Amino acid sequence: DAGVIQSPRHEVTEMGQEVTLRCKPISGHDYLFWYRQTMMRGLELLIYFNNNVPIDDSGMPEDRFSAKMPNASFSTLKIQPSEPRDSAVYFCASSPKTGAAGNEQFFGPGTRLTVL
Amino acid sequence: DQQVKQNSPSLSVQEGRISILNCDYTNSMFDYFLWYKKYPAEGPTFLISISSIKDKNEDGRFTVFLNKSAKHLSLHIVPSQPGDSAVYFCAASSISNFGNEKLTFGTGTRLTIIP
Repeated sequence: DAGVIQSPRHEVTEMGQEVTLRCKPISGHDYLFWYRQTMMRGLELLIYFNNNVPIDDSGMPEDRFSAKMPNASFSTLKIQPSEPRDSAVYFCASSPKTGAAGNEQFFGPGTRLTVL
Repeated sequence: DQQVKQNSPSLSVQEGRISILNCDYTNSMFDYFLWYKKYPAEGPTFLISISSIKDKNEDGRFTVFLNKSAKHLSLHIVPSQPGDSAVYFCAASSISNFGNEKLTFGTGTRLTIIP
C-alpha cells in the first residue's frame, strides 16, 4: 500500500495567487482529513469528509479556503487568494470506518506551503 | 481555545533513561486518547492509544497513563533510544462528538535523545 499521497511536497507562491493542494487517501478508507501545522497552534483540523461528503468544516479559517472530494480517491484543498499567513505545512490523513474503540488516522507526508 | 495542551515544547533526555511526555485536556467528553510521533519532513504516525475505561496501556518500550480526574495523560518511553528523537503529538476524541473520528491535537513536544 502506497499510503496517503500528497502533492506537491513543496509550494512557493506569491501573495494573491491561487494554491491547490492534492491528496489521494488510502484505498478503502471512509474518512479524509485536512490539517494545518503551525508552531503556535500545532495540528489544526481544517475539514473532514466521510464517504466524500464534508462533515465538519468548522476549522476552515476563512472563505478563502475551500475543499472538495469529488470521488473516493481524490481531494483538493484550495486557497484563493493566498496570503503570507497561510504559510504552513498542510497534511492530509485518512482513516477506515471507525469502531467504538476509536480510530487511527494515517497521514501523508505533507505539503510545505510558502506564500511570499 | 486549546482543548489539548502540551505545555513543554521541548524535552532532552539521555539515551537509556526514561522520557516522560505530558498532555492535559480540558474537555471532559474526551474518551479516547492517542499519541503520534513525527519525524522531520514526514507525516505523523500513530504510536499508542488508550481508552478512558483504562488507566494504562503498554506496548513495548511505550506506556501511556491516563488520569481522568486530573484530565492528564503521559507517555513514558523506557529506555529512550536515539531513534525516539521526534515531535510527539497528543490527540483526543469523543464518541459523542461526530462519532469518534474527529481528533483534537496538541501543539507537540520535541523530544531529543542525547547519546
